[in-house]
This record gives sequence, C-alpha cells and structure tokens, in this order.
Amino acid sequence: EAGVAQSPRYKIIEKRQSVAFWCNPISGHATLYWYQQILGQGPKLLIQFQNNGVVDDSQLPKDRFSAERLKGVDSTLKIQPAKLEDSAVYLCASSLGTAGRYEQYFGPGTRLTVT
Amino acid sequence: GENVEQHPSTLSVQEGDSAVIKCTYSDSASNYFPWYKQELGKRPQLIIDIRSNVGEKKDQRIAVTLNKTAKHFSLHITETQPEDSAVYFCAAGYMLTFGGGTRLMVKP
Repeated sequence: EAGVAQSPRYKIIEKRQSVAFWCNPISGHATLYWYQQILGQGPKLLIQFQNNGVVDDSQLPKDRFSAERLKGVDSTLKIQPAKLEDSAVYLCASSLGTAGRYEQYFGPGTRLTVT
Repeated sequence: GENVEQHPSTLSVQEGDSAVIKCTYSDSASNYFPWYKQELGKRPQLIIDIRSNVGEKKDQRIAVTLNKTAKHFSLHITETQPEDSAVYFCAAGYMLTFGGGTRLMVKP
C-alpha cells in the first residue's frame, strides 16, 4: 500500500513569513496527526483529526499555527508568521482509528528552517 | 496530561551485547505503549508495542516489559547488530506523548 505522503520535503523561509505543509494519508485512514519534531527531541503532537473533525489541538500554538482537513482526507498545516523556534521537522501520520488501537504510520516529514 | 521520561539519552554497546532502554510515564490511565525506531533523516517506524493487559511481549530479538504499578516500561534488544544503531523513542497515552529518545550505537 502507498504510504503517507508529505510535501514539500524541505522549506527555508525568513522569520515572519508564512508557510504551508500538505499531507495525504494512507487511503482509508480516518485519523490524521501532525507532529513537530525539534532536532534531538521526540515528536510532539500538534493536532489530531478524526475524519474532518479535530480530536485534540491542545498543543497547537493557535496564534500562529492552523490546520485543516477538508473532506476528511488531505490536510494542510500553516504557520503565519513563522518564528526562529519553529525550525523543526513536521511529521504527518495516519491510522485506521485512534491511537492505542491502531498503528500510526508516519510520512517522511517536512524539514522547515526559519532564518 | 501525560509526561514520559526516557533513559538513557545515549547508549553504546558492543555488537552481540544486549541493550535496555527505560521509560516512565505519569498518567495511570495510559494503556498503550509503543516503541519507535528512527534512523538518521528518516521517519519513525513502529518496532513493537504493548497494551496494559499484557506484562511482556517479544518479537525475535526485541522485547518490551510493562510494570503498570510502577508506571514504567522497557525495551530490550538482544544480540545487537550494527543495523540496530538508531534513535529509539518510547511513547504512552491516548494522545501519544513521546519520550526524549535514546541514541543507540552498536559498535562492530
């Protein structure tokens, strides 16, 4: 089966600019996650969708980050305006259902550098 | 929310030796504990997981043990090989909270 797709793979922007990341989950996976992984740290969950509804976004910095999952399939994560501390790899993952019952499959990630 | 601590942060072993990585968690309601392996520049991949109704699970050279009373779980890798070198992450909770990672280096 095809895996989780993400684009772009790399992005370099200046602080205060905007950026958007795209994720296409594995076909049929109802649950989609966005994680932020800062160099040398474990992934941190930003937001979890179940179909097109938000299950948890408690760790999403809502003053600058936004995410949507239209039609319950693809998702976009946006940062505006970006800060230096947003430099990280942004990982998208999907699963058949919620964590704890189904394995999460990760995409290759988007490496963001904010200068 | 859940808090996961992972030790050690780096671990160096000789090929053929065993490696043990330990994690503690805070939320007694957590019932799912996966372990991920992440090679340099690649995505995390699930290597083994355990649920709270099981105390131990094995898969070839890898095993995970869970102590719900003490709120800790461990990854055991036996007969380590150079290709086991990677960063390993534990996680816990309904909304997965990841540990800080352990960089395992297996010397040939």
